[in-house]
Amino acid sequence: GQNIDQPTEMTATEGAIVQINCTYQTSGFNGLFWYQQHAGEAPTFLSYNVLDGLEEKGRFSSFLSRSKGYSYLLLKELQMKDSASYLCAVLDSNYQLIWGAGTKLIIKP
Amino acid sequence: ETGVTQTPRHLVMGMTNKKSLKCEQHLGHNAMYWYKQSAKKPLELMFVYNFKEQTENNSVPSRFSPECPNSSHLFLHLHTLQPEDSALYLCASSPQGEGNQPQHFGDGTRLSIL
Repeated sequence: GQNIDQPTEMTATEGAIVQINCTYQTSGFNGLFWYQQHAGEAPTFLSYNVLDGLEEKGRFSSFLSRSKGYSYLLLKELQMKDSASYLCAVLDSNYQLIWGAGTKLIIKP
Repeated sequence: ETGVTQTPRHLVMGMTNKKSLKCEQHLGHNAMYWYKQSAKKPLELMFVYNFKEQTENNSVPSRFSPECPNSSHLFLHLHTLQPEDSALYLCASSPQGEGNQPQHFGDGTRLSIL
């Protein structure tokens, strides 16, 4: 079966750095997405990785290793507004999105 | 403003009621999706429409009935729902049904079944 694993919840301190991991087993691979979802709001697109390596976008970076079936989202200089759920999703060989259950990130002052 | 608007934002209904959820996208996309989001569970894809044609129906019970009159509008008709159908229902759109472009989501309809 197809599976995406990510931690259920993480806590970090304002101003710090946090890494949210995602591991996947899917039928083929056509890329991996990260989305941010604030409570009661729409998921919003953060990043897309299809090649191995690190993609940096401001305070947020996303890393992919296809051979390990692994990705992480790195958030730097954490702000209170970064408190949200972070969803990992993989595009399989049929271009179907397989979703993880999301990681709830709590930022403390 | 995500470009995808869902109404209503909240809906409480009894098990014998009939109601409809509405989604409208202003992005010029050709694919639209319905998802169910339950607490601590992955997003469940329910239906996919690509150029107004239904291309996916992931074993969704018949008490959920989608309608896509054009590429900008999507409805989910609800009838005789069960308590376990209480969830957040999200609509999304993307430029096309197959491809690696990200989906754009609405804020969802929070549905509670009494």
